[in-house]
Amino acid sequence: ELKVEQNPLFLSMQEGKNYTIYCNYSTTSDRLYWYRQDPGKSLESLFVLLSNGAVKQEGRLMASLDTKARLSTLHITAAVHDLSATYFCAVDMVGGTQGGSEKLVFGKGTKLTVNP
Amino acid sequence: DTEVTQTPKHLVMGMTNKKSLKCEQHMGHRAMYWYKQKAKKPPELMFVYSYEKLSINESVPSRFSPECPNSSLLNLHLHALQPEDSALYLCASSQDLGQRGTLRWGSYEQYFGPGTRLTVT
Repeated sequence: ELKVEQNPLFLSMQEGKNYTIYCNYSTTSDRLYWYRQDPGKSLESLFVLLSNGAVKQEGRLMASLDTKARLSTLHITAAVHDLSATYFCAVDMVGGTQGGSEKLVFGKGTKLTVNP
Repeated sequence: DTEVTQTPKHLVMGMTNKKSLKCEQHMGHRAMYWYKQKAKKPPELMFVYSYEKLSINESVPSRFSPECPNSSLLNLHLHALQPEDSALYLCASSQDLGQRGTLRWGSYEQYFGPGTRLTVT
């Protein structure tokens, strides 16, 4: 059974500071996704990481994937209040009776609060 | 167009009611998904349809009945729900492995709809 662990689950940080969220998973997978969710809203896709060593950056967020260590990180640089949200990592596994569907297993999420 | 739409946005229903949630996408995706999300929890997969056929049922109670009438539409029929079924119901779609044979490549990113906030009274 694929397990996905995120830490920390809660993160309170000051504006301008840097921090990293970690996502560990238990079995081999070559696809990892990061999503953002604002309160009461749906999931917004941030990054798709498809291979070992993949690194992607968008604004103040940078995500990386180490498939050998089964670890992905989401690094926040010089945080601003607008980044306050819950961040989920999700790892995929092929499933279903036809073997052709993507089954995402989500971490518990990291609730990020950026304080002025 | 990378949009998944869901209706209604909010739904309040009694335990004896029958209602349906609807989801639509026009991205040519052949896999569609229903998730349930409780407050402060990650989304939990309920059903997956692949090429309009039910591919995954995560042991969901029969009071939830999915339907995929065509490749663009996904419904979730609700009957005799319980208060603990109150949650945000998310629909998602993605390309399907079946389109690319047995070799997995590329991103099968799931695109999520805005969700339906369901309250069962």
